[in-house]
Amino acid sequence: GAVVSQHPSWVICKSGTSVKIECRSLDFQATTMFWYRQFPKQSLMLMATSNEGSKATYEQGVEKDKFLINHASLTLSTLTVTSAHPEDSSFYICSARDMGEAFFGQGTRLTVV
Amino acid sequence: DQQVKQNSPSLSVQEGRISILNCDYTNSMFDYFLWYKKYPAEGPTFLISISSIKDKNEDGRFTVFLNKSAKHLSLHIVPSQPGDSAVYFCAASALTSGSARQLTFGSGTQLTVLP
Repeated sequence: GAVVSQHPSWVICKSGTSVKIECRSLDFQATTMFWYRQFPKQSLMLMATSNEGSKATYEQGVEKDKFLINHASLTLSTLTVTSAHPEDSSFYICSARDMGEAFFGQGTRLTVV
Repeated sequence: DQQVKQNSPSLSVQEGRISILNCDYTNSMFDYFLWYKKYPAEGPTFLISISSIKDKNEDGRFTVFLNKSAKHLSLHIVPSQPGDSAVYFCAASALTSGSARQLTFGSGTQLTVLP
């Protein structure tokens, strides 16, 4: 099946710094990718829809200036958490769809200290 | 407003028995449903899906049933194995603008299969 690769799998950063997370579709082209966030013992919450060559669409309550999304090519979307704070610590997952099926990256565990 | 609900946060089943995970939805526009399995600190893995034109889909030990009138779907795992222990998410999709389809997830059910 299609593979989505997410990197890094975990990262620890200091408050105030920025962190970039990459999401790649390895064997298919994805014009649309999705970024989710999961808090402990909660469901996956859609943060934004990343559209290749255009601006991302953010869900209500998600700060677009804090969570910068760039979808520069058909196989790569990046999420940058800017000026990270401890409350941004979470598990971030990207997803891309191929032929109607959604495939997920491995996820990134972000810890802001 | 939770459009996809998994009312049981946890379920314990003996190895070899059937596991039944339930999911309810409220949005009548949903036309495609999926089940995902998730281990801690990993991304969800697709298990099985069903289109709203069907009421059953089977793949090996996994069967998904859809009851559109009740807006209810369930995942049956038979026989259950200890390796099935994970969090199971129900997800639903509705046609949005363009060809992109967003997934709405339930809150998940932790399945524990006891040896």
